[in-house]
Amino acid sequence: NAGVTQTPKFRILKIGQSMTLQCTQDMNHNYMYWYRQDPGMGLKLIYYSVGAGITDKGEVPNGYNVSRSTTEDFPLRLELAAPSQTSVYFCASSYLQANEKLFFGSGTQLSVL
Amino acid sequence: RKEVEQDPGPFNVPEGATVAFNCTYSNSASQSFFWYRQDCRKEPKLLMSVYSSGNEDGRFTAQLNRASQYISLLIRDSKLSDSATYLCVVKGNTPLVFGKGTRLSVIA
Repeated sequence: NAGVTQTPKFRILKIGQSMTLQCTQDMNHNYMYWYRQDPGMGLKLIYYSVGAGITDKGEVPNGYNVSRSTTEDFPLRLELAAPSQTSVYFCASSYLQANEKLFFGSGTQLSVL
Repeated sequence: RKEVEQDPGPFNVPEGATVAFNCTYSNSASQSFFWYRQDCRKEPKLLMSVYSSGNEDGRFTAQLNRASQYISLLIRDSKLSDSATYLCVVKGNTPLVFGKGTRLSVIA
């Protein structure tokens, strides 16, 4: 099993550009999450989804959008990139919320210049 | 008060030492508690869950004090491979809240 796969691993954007961070999992997990981690900081939840067609905002949703059309995929969209969005982005999934073992992707290092 | 607070460290300890980290949380309704480990530039990975009665996994012991709202992680006989950042994670009525982490460096 591949687990949680994120692409790309690295990306440099210019201010105002748009991009989509891809996340897919092959574990048939219901719950999926997007976190961002700034240097020396903890992970902050951007958006999460409890199943296909259902998404909800986390702590820092501004500037981002998500969709969950299938169980496997949970892409994160940046519409107008800003320097404040420079961060490492982690996608994660879990089977049952009560279980709460999060399986993380390897992360995307994004720089907005 | 922040939701989850940890001493950022770094804790620099020699091999074989015992080291302990504490973490405090503000939401008294928090239901579940975890320690995750994060290596430099890598994704976090679950180290262990924390149960009310305390629990042990090899050299690692986790404890929960609900009255004082803190959890702890004790590492015995530290190995070089234990060098990492340890994230305290708490779940209340919303998805998990991560602390900023405590950095541990085990020195030969």
